[in-house]
Amino acid sequence: SQQGEEDPQALSIQEGENATMNCSYKTSINNLQWYRQNSGRGLVHLILIRSNEREKHSGRLRVTLDTSKKSSSLLITASRAADTASYFCATVLTGANNLFFGTGTRLTVIP
Amino acid sequence: GAGVSQSPRYKVAKRGQDVALRCDPISGHVSLFWYQQALGQGPEFLTYFQNEAQLDKSGLPSDRFFAERPEGSVSTLKIQRTQQEDSAVYLCASNLRGRNTEAFFGQGTRLTVV
Repeated sequence: SQQGEEDPQALSIQEGENATMNCSYKTSINNLQWYRQNSGRGLVHLILIRSNEREKHSGRLRVTLDTSKKSSSLLITASRAADTASYFCATVLTGANNLFFGTGTRLTVIP
Repeated sequence: GAGVSQSPRYKVAKRGQDVALRCDPISGHVSLFWYQQALGQGPEFLTYFQNEAQLDKSGLPSDRFFAERPEGSVSTLKIQRTQQEDSAVYLCASNLRGRNTEAFFGQGTRLTVV
């Protein structure tokens, strides 16, 4: 079963705009990770945020984590057409090593 | 190797046929994961190895699914008596020991059962 859920399921924006995707999860986590998947390809790791961190940046990516609300958000600034992909959050549960993925957000960036 | 390698990339199986999917993880990666991804869905966890030990197989959907990693490197996911609902992309991932590390994914094997 899916451990997390992303919101929205699909998002369409113009190039240059910011894109925000949200992830909610169910149980206590060790860390939360965001992955990207282009159509028909494998997943690529974007960023990892630990349970004791609240915000993390990597290039045009900004991730926040609110463990009290069991939620995370991924912000992509100044989007590009090449950012078009599906984005998934994945959680590592406390005391575990395996990754559990959410349902994904399909992002379309229109040139 | 340069990355996680999966073979075959595509497999068409007749219903009832047995299939074997191979995963070559990144050299030195201790942990190995298998996922099943249906069209338009997120990857669903199947099983997890640490070296040759299968530590979690709670996601395997039935006893027709079997995974092994006998020497702690290459892993094989076997599906016996395939059924149409087994059609999906099967993804393999590996990472270094430790939960606070990123996972590296292969390109997946797309299985179609006809």
